[in-house]
Amino acid sequence: AQSVTQLDSHVSVSEGTPVLLRCNYSSSYSPSLFWYVQHPNKGLQLLLKYTSAATLVKGINGFEAEFKKSETSFHLTKPSAHMSDAAEYFCVVKDTNAGKSTFGDGTTLTVKP
Amino acid sequence: EAQVTQNPRYLITVTGKKLTVTCSQNMNHEYMSWYRQDPGLGLRQIYYSMNVEVTDKGDVPEGYKVSRKEKRNFPLILESPSPNQTSLYFCASSRDLYTGELFFGEGSRLTVL
Repeated sequence: AQSVTQLDSHVSVSEGTPVLLRCNYSSSYSPSLFWYVQHPNKGLQLLLKYTSAATLVKGINGFEAEFKKSETSFHLTKPSAHMSDAAEYFCVVKDTNAGKSTFGDGTTLTVKP
Repeated sequence: EAQVTQNPRYLITVTGKKLTVTCSQNMNHEYMSWYRQDPGLGLRQIYYSMNVEVTDKGDVPEGYKVSRKEKRNFPLILESPSPNQTSLYFCASSRDLYTGELFFGEGSRLTVL
């Protein structure tokens, strides 16, 4: 069985300050991990993915995430928030041998001017 | 342009009136899946398909049917919709079962009265 816990349902930051969105996972297998972003009235878009290569993964729009197996975490960070980063973010774990992707409940990021 | 197209984007219907939400992808992807998104619950998988004529249940399949007669199309059928199926629905596709990265449609907001 696999599961994902996004530790914060809402995160609010000021423009230009760092962003941290936290994700812990549980998986019986060697998982693949993903972060997706959803802007209002839009579908989800892939930000970045970890698939057992480098543990520090760089994505689009300046986001990155670090896979920490010992802590079963895959936190998403960005050094400096932009207004356009305001959206909902989903952490996803996927068993690489099966068709099932499990989504976290989402974190809503608000960016204040 | 590579895309996943869902129709309709918005629909209001009444209990018991059969409806179909269409999904089409132009990327020659083998894997397709349907999700529903409800506030605070993230995305939950309804059905998925690993290839033509191969479908399987996800986490919340009750009240839904799917078919995969062609590689590009994966319609979601609600034979007798009920108010608890009011939700935002997303279709997604992936190159294959193992790749993991999902490409999403823009969503179909369904209201059942």
